[in-house]
Amino acid sequence: DVVMTQSPLSLSVTLGQPASFSCRSSQSLLHRDRNTYLSWFHQRPGQSPRRLIYRVSNRDSGVPDRFSGSGSGTDFTLKISRVEAEDVGVYYCMQGTHWPQLAFGGGTKVEIK
Amino acid sequence: QVHLVASGGGLVKPGGSLRLSCAASGFSFSDYFMTWIRQAPGKGLEWLSFISQRSDDIYHADSVKGRFTISRDNAKNSLYLQMNSLRAEDTAIYYCTTVSQSSIDFWGQGTLVTVSS
Repeated sequence: DVVMTQSPLSLSVTLGQPASFSCRSSQSLLHRDRNTYLSWFHQRPGQSPRRLIYRVSNRDSGVPDRFSGSGSGTDFTLKISRVEAEDVGVYYCMQGTHWPQLAFGGGTKVEIK
Repeated sequence: QVHLVASGGGLVKPGGSLRLSCAASGFSFSDYFMTWIRQAPGKGLEWLSFISQRSDDIYHADSVKGRFTISRDNAKNSLYLQMNSLRAEDTAIYYCTTVSQSSIDFWGQGTLVTVSS
């Protein structure tokens, strides 16, 4: 089974400053169709998760452009260029390459300093 | 606008059963793969079950295989999860989700299942 590992576990960020989250998979997420099925989700306290990014770097509709995803193979990164108050919560990565097992990382919790 | 409304959660004793439902609207339900995901209190996300558009492909995570069964009724735009032999560790919020291009695109609001004597 694919194991997804996120770091750090938590992050305290000053408003307006950048933030970066890491996600690593135990196996390459490059699919034989040449796509890499790595997604990022954001879950605010008391809410359902919401997808931000799919296929490594594609932002969902309505997601601010301060969010960007990058990476390949087994190493991936989500970056927020300037953190805003609404960005608090937990960020999860998820792999879909090794279908149908959809494996999630343990999450990175973001709080504002 | 996509709406996924999960229901059927509640308090159940260990060894008991529950059937969760998810009512879908705002999209063509029969065109989508669907899954159930759960989140134990204060914990992360765990994929449980997957079903294809016509129910010809069904998969369950090892943690629930043999106890949980996913199903759907496209005529009723509904997804189900039959949960048997429930354990304390099954206590969680259960979300139904749509799946496309090997990713989860929409999440429902979740229904809480508590397994306790």
